[in-house]
Amino acid sequence: DSGVTQTPKHLITATGQRVTLRCSPRSGDLSVYWYQQSLDQGLQFLIQYYNGEERAKGNILERFSAQQFPDLHSELNLSSLELGDSALYFCASSVLVPSEFNGYTFGSGTRLTVV
Amino acid sequence: AQSVAQPEDQVNVAEGNPLTVKCTYSVSGNPYLFWYVQYPNRGLQFLLKYITGDNLVKGSYGFEAEFNKSQTSFHLKKPSALVSDSALYFCAVRDISFADSGAWSYQLTFGKGTKLSVIP
Repeated sequence: DSGVTQTPKHLITATGQRVTLRCSPRSGDLSVYWYQQSLDQGLQFLIQYYNGEERAKGNILERFSAQQFPDLHSELNLSSLELGDSALYFCASSVLVPSEFNGYTFGSGTRLTVV
Repeated sequence: AQSVAQPEDQVNVAEGNPLTVKCTYSVSGNPYLFWYVQYPNRGLQFLLKYITGDNLVKGSYGFEAEFNKSQTSFHLKKPSALVSDSALYFCAVRDISFADSGAWSYQLTFGKGTKLSVIP
């Protein structure tokens, strides 16, 4: 157990639908990152939050959005789903203190299948 | 922006033989480099990192990596491969970005990954 919890582990939904993926970071980590992993695109950075504030945006589609709540858990919302959105979605957490940054701790991911 | 490249999509090695998974980097300033491993249907797990100091970094599960500044490389190595080492390996570099507000942050930029297959 890495300490980063992602739910659900698997999700099957139809095109056009909306889903919410949830992530609880490791205790003490204020920063949360979302990544999408697909076979042809590798590991793509979507978005980062730090203590409730958006800090960086990557290749995130307008149909996708995220937020981080006061208890530091984060949710990734995917709407108007398309077949191409089928992928593994990972959450990772870290500290941002420069002297303490040791990379990320990853959750086990949510496998999204759009049918 | 910082970047890493993993030139091999797949590496095959016989059990008991030494293994090398290659990574090259492109950074401005001092590189902060990482290796992660992903087993099937699992998240990425941290193996080791280079920030400063000795060019040979030792990590988890008997892996080590050699930082070479002149060749801008950070290759992952293990003296004797196990079948259980078969997995997807990612090299990553720390990058710094600035939001519109001026707030800074760290991210990791990952290579495309190398699939390691250890053959019994």
